[in-house]
Amino acid sequence: KQEVTQIPAALSVPEGENLVLNCSFTDSAIYNLQWFRQDPGKGLTSLLLIQSSQREQTSGRLNASLDKSSGRSTLYIAASQPGDSATYLCVPRGNNNDMRFGAGTRLTVKP
Amino acid sequence: GAGVSQSPSNKVTEKGKDVELRCDPISGHTALYWYRQSLGQGLEFLIYFQGNSAPDKSGLPSDRFSAERTGGSVSTLTIQRTQQEDSAVYLCASSLDRVMINYGYTFGSGTRLTVV
Repeated sequence: KQEVTQIPAALSVPEGENLVLNCSFTDSAIYNLQWFRQDPGKGLTSLLLIQSSQREQTSGRLNASLDKSSGRSTLYIAASQPGDSATYLCVPRGNNNDMRFGAGTRLTVKP
Repeated sequence: GAGVSQSPSNKVTEKGKDVELRCDPISGHTALYWYRQSLGQGLEFLIYFQGNSAPDKSGLPSDRFSAERTGGSVSTLTIQRTQQEDSAVYLCASSLDRVMINYGYTFGSGTRLTVV
C-alpha cells in the first residue's frame, strides 16, 4: 500500500521567495505523479503531471521533478505570490486502484 | 462536458434521511473516483469505477454508503440514514485511463454535505 509523506506540513513565506515542497512515497512502482493545489473549501486543481519516464515538468513559475527510484518528488515555486496560498498535494499513481493522498503542504504567501 | 460536474454543490439534510450525490465525469473518461474530505482533514478514498469492471468499494466506511455508475458515465453516491459524522465535502474525480497509462485526474468542485 502506497504511503505518501509531504514535508513541510505548513510553510509561510514572504511574497517573492522561491520555495520547494517535498513529497516522498514508499512504492516506487508508479506510472506517474500528479501535483494538485486545493484552495480552502474548494476542489482540487491539477498543476503538473509527470510520467514515470520523465524527470521534470514545468508550467509557468512551477517546476516539478521526479526521482522515481528514490520515491521522491519536489515542487518548486518561483517568485511566490499571495495567490499561491493553498494546500499542495502530490499523488503518485501505481497499480492500486485508489489514489492515495498525503496530508499535503499548507502554503501561505504573505504580501 | 468541459469538466467534472457535481451536484448539488451544497446539501443540508436531517439526521436519518437518505441523500444522493451526483457526479458527471468528463465525456469519455473511463475511470471515476469518489473521495470525502472532512473539515481540516485529508482526502479519504471511498470507491473507484473503471469501465465495466466491478467497482473497488474498499473505501466505503459502512454499508450505509453505496455508489453506482450508470452506462459508464454518471455516478451517484447514496448515503442512507445519514449521521452527523457523514458531514464532509464529497469529491469526484475522473480520468481517461488506458492499460498501464494514466492521463491524470480531473476533480469536480465537490458537494458539501451537512447533516443536522
